[in-house]
Amino acid sequence: GIQVEQSPPDLILQEGANSTLRCNFSDSVNNLQWFHQNPWGQLINLFYIPSGTKQNGRLSATTVATERYSLLYISSSQTTDSGVYFCAVKEYGNKLVFGAGTILRVKS
Amino acid sequence: DSGVTQTPKHLITATGQRVTLRCSPRSGDLSVYWYQQSLDQGLQFLIQYYNGEERAKGNILERFSAQQFPDLHSELNLSSLELGDSALYFCASSVGGGLSTDTQYFGPGTRLTVL
Repeated sequence: GIQVEQSPPDLILQEGANSTLRCNFSDSVNNLQWFHQNPWGQLINLFYIPSGTKQNGRLSATTVATERYSLLYISSSQTTDSGVYFCAVKEYGNKLVFGAGTILRVKS
Repeated sequence: DSGVTQTPKHLITATGQRVTLRCSPRSGDLSVYWYQQSLDQGLQFLIQYYNGEERAKGNILERFSAQQFPDLHSELNLSSLELGDSALYFCASSVGGGLSTDTQYFGPGTRLTVL
């Protein structure tokens, strides 16, 4: 099946800093989603981005489908950005395959 | 708030017992998915239902079963529980049953602890 790798596994930032999270996938996909899991365990949809670039406030994402990677940018990070960021791609049918996640800690 | 609801939020039970987790999809969504998040396995797809019918199956144990009812809510039944079944169980929903453009929206999860 498709493999999804995320890097870095862990990231510690000072409030106000910028960061880039990466997601590599092993096969071509036509559905890619980024999620944020907050410290209470909730999975929050950030982007549906099978290709191209999207922006939502301080967050933006870019997927280069032909090169099998996606990037999530967080600018001017805040403590509320802490949590785990997951990339997920759709395999056959409707199954979402998740990466292992990037744990982000933003310190004030 | 994604619009997907799950009950209960927390469940503590003993080995060998049986529990039922409930999910209501977003209004208008016909598909319901179940995922398990554990420390050692990460987030894994269990099963999908579309408009009452099973559509796709993942790494779901034989001790687990699910169904989707005519009002589109779904239940995940876990039986003969083992310590290793302790996990966060998510339900997600989407509009379609297999469209590549479907976006899955996740509920808040049910945290199951088996003692």
